[in-house]
Amino acid sequence: NAGVTQTPKFQVLKTGQSMTLQCAQDMNHEYMSWYRQDPGMGLRLIHYSVGAGITDQGEVPNGYNVSRSTTEDFPLRLLSAAPSQTSVYFCASSFTFSGQGNNSPLHFGNGTRLTVT
Amino acid sequence: GENVEQHPSTLSVQEGDSAVIKCTYSDSASNYFPWYKQELGKGPQLIIDIRSNVGEKKDQRIAVTLNKTAKHFSLHITETQPEDSAVYFCAAKTDKIIFGKGTRLHILP
Repeated sequence: NAGVTQTPKFQVLKTGQSMTLQCAQDMNHEYMSWYRQDPGMGLRLIHYSVGAGITDQGEVPNGYNVSRSTTEDFPLRLLSAAPSQTSVYFCASSFTFSGQGNNSPLHFGNGTRLTVT
Repeated sequence: GENVEQHPSTLSVQEGDSAVIKCTYSDSASNYFPWYKQELGKGPQLIIDIRSNVGEKKDQRIAVTLNKTAKHFSLHITETQPEDSAVYFCAAKTDKIIFGKGTRLHILP
């Protein structure tokens, strides 16, 4: 069972370039999300999805796009990279995200370290 | 939206002593409070969680308490060991999970 797989592990971009961070999970999880982690800032939510075809914005969505065409995949797109997007990006998923009694833990990938020069 | 404050940002304790990390949240609709541990180079992993209808939960050396009235929740680690050294995050959930900024815990020999 692979869990949450993120690719690539490392990436260097030049300002203005575009790229897609890939995230795939094989646990049939409904909920998927993207976080960025910066020193002293903790984990900040970028975008999330409660199911295929549904996405919503988190705390810091500007500069990022997402789509959820399948249950398994939740790619994060940077259309025009900026140095402020230098960060470690984590994808996380869970079974379900609704109701008091249906909280299941987030499973995180091992992250993508992105540097924008 | 939800805001989660976490303190302290760094904590050093002697091996064998207890460690306490505290969090507050702003949205009274939050109903689920997980704690994650992150080791170097890895993604965070859930270590314990608590639902809003429970005041305390314990799992071996780890316990979490929740005070809904005050909107406080805390992580307690007893008999700390070297492998407890890591970054710990608290979080609160409404329609999404919002994390605190993390606590770097150092266990001193």
